[in-house]
Amino acid sequence: ILNVEQSPQSLHVQEGDSTNFTCSFPSSNFYALHWYRWETAKSPEALFVMTLNGDEKKKGRISATLNTKEGYSYLYIKGSQPEDSATYLCAFGPGNTGKLIFGQGTTLQVKP
Amino acid sequence: NAGVTQTPKFQVLKTGQSMTLQCAQDMNHNSMYWYRQDPGMGLRLIYYSASEGTTDKGEVPNGYNVSRLNKREFSLRLESAAPSQTSVYFCASNKEGIRGYTFGSGTRLTVV
Repeated sequence: ILNVEQSPQSLHVQEGDSTNFTCSFPSSNFYALHWYRWETAKSPEALFVMTLNGDEKKKGRISATLNTKEGYSYLYIKGSQPEDSATYLCAFGPGNTGKLIFGQGTTLQVKP
Repeated sequence: NAGVTQTPKFQVLKTGQSMTLQCAQDMNHNSMYWYRQDPGMGLRLIYYSASEGTTDKGEVPNGYNVSRLNKREFSLRLESAAPSQTSVYFCASNKEGIRGYTFGSGTRLTVV
């Protein structure tokens, strides 16, 4: 059974703090690593898809890195804002099937 | 631009009843997926369709059937609902394996 682990499970920070989350995944049969942002009462929205070891992606204040050899990815948020409050999901794609195995998510709450 | 449309949004079934969850996308995506979300667990894949005319089992297919009616539509059927199928169901689609998913708004199903 392939497992994707995310840590921490939840995080409370103050507005302006920078933070990061970890996603661990199997290092074998790697094809892609996805990050999604999931706001309450909405659907998950894709942030990044990374496929190459060493990939770094950035969207505004959010960035992500990928290490496929050791099986981890980091998501960074610089200067957190209340609107960043959401659950952040990572998902591992084993092989070119499109199927994804999701982690349980990290729930971020940013206090004004 | 509707994206991925799921119906119904809410449903209550009695044990043993059947129902079909509908999903349609208007983005000309090749691949479509059905996931379920349960408390404390990541999204788990029920079935997926890599292209029109093909379907494959995911991690938790028991008790479900699917139909890829055409490129746009992918339905999920519960033949004899059980309380263990109480969950939130998400349909998703993407152009190909390397692309991020677009999710529907979800169906909250309760089986009593």
